[in-house]
Amino acid sequence: QKEVEQNSGPLSVPEGAIASLNCTYSDRGSQSFFWYRQYSGKSPELIMSIYSNGDKEDGRFTAQLNKASQYVSLLIRDSQPSDSATYLCAVYRRGGADGLTFGKGTHLIIQP
Amino acid sequence: GAVVSQHPSRVICKSGTSVKIECRSLDFQATTMFWYRQFPKQSLMLMATSNEGSKATYEQGVEKDKFLINHASLTLSTLTVTSAHPEDSSFYICSARVPLISTDTQYFGPGTRLTVL
Repeated sequence: QKEVEQNSGPLSVPEGAIASLNCTYSDRGSQSFFWYRQYSGKSPELIMSIYSNGDKEDGRFTAQLNKASQYVSLLIRDSQPSDSATYLCAVYRRGGADGLTFGKGTHLIIQP
Repeated sequence: GAVVSQHPSRVICKSGTSVKIECRSLDFQATTMFWYRQFPKQSLMLMATSNEGSKATYEQGVEKDKFLINHASLTLSTLTVTSAHPEDSSFYICSARVPLISTDTQYFGPGTRLTVL
């Protein structure tokens, strides 16, 4: 059974600091990895996608993927109070079930 | 990103009634849409994959006769919760892939919060 594991938190980070969110997955055949941000009562919003080992940067966000360790992370630099949300890690395996497999999410709180 | 809309955003109904939720892709054609369900403090769980012009593919444990999915056009998929009961109360979210952008990335609609009394 495919599983995606995340620490539920809450993870509390001071404003301006780096927030580090982690995710592990069980399906070695997973090929695509995503980070979504979900505010309370809202639907998920795509933040980053990553497909290859290494780092991928987009503005204040950096996604890191290590397929050998089955580990994906998201770094948020210069954290802002508006970054406070639940961050969902999702993985996808082409050729398998079409949908995304989500972790339960990490609740991030940025303290002003 | 691509725009996906849902209607209604919120619905309250009595136990035993049926509720239809619409999911539309506004600026692209979606041959495949997905329906997810999210209970409080839980993650999104895929219910079914909706393919235009063919039958939906349901995940294990999801009753296809209770959750009717129709994908009659390239921009519209509907989910009908038949004979809804309080345990069906949840946040229902649809998503779509945009093939021209990515074969894997899914964009989500705003969700429909269903409350069954």
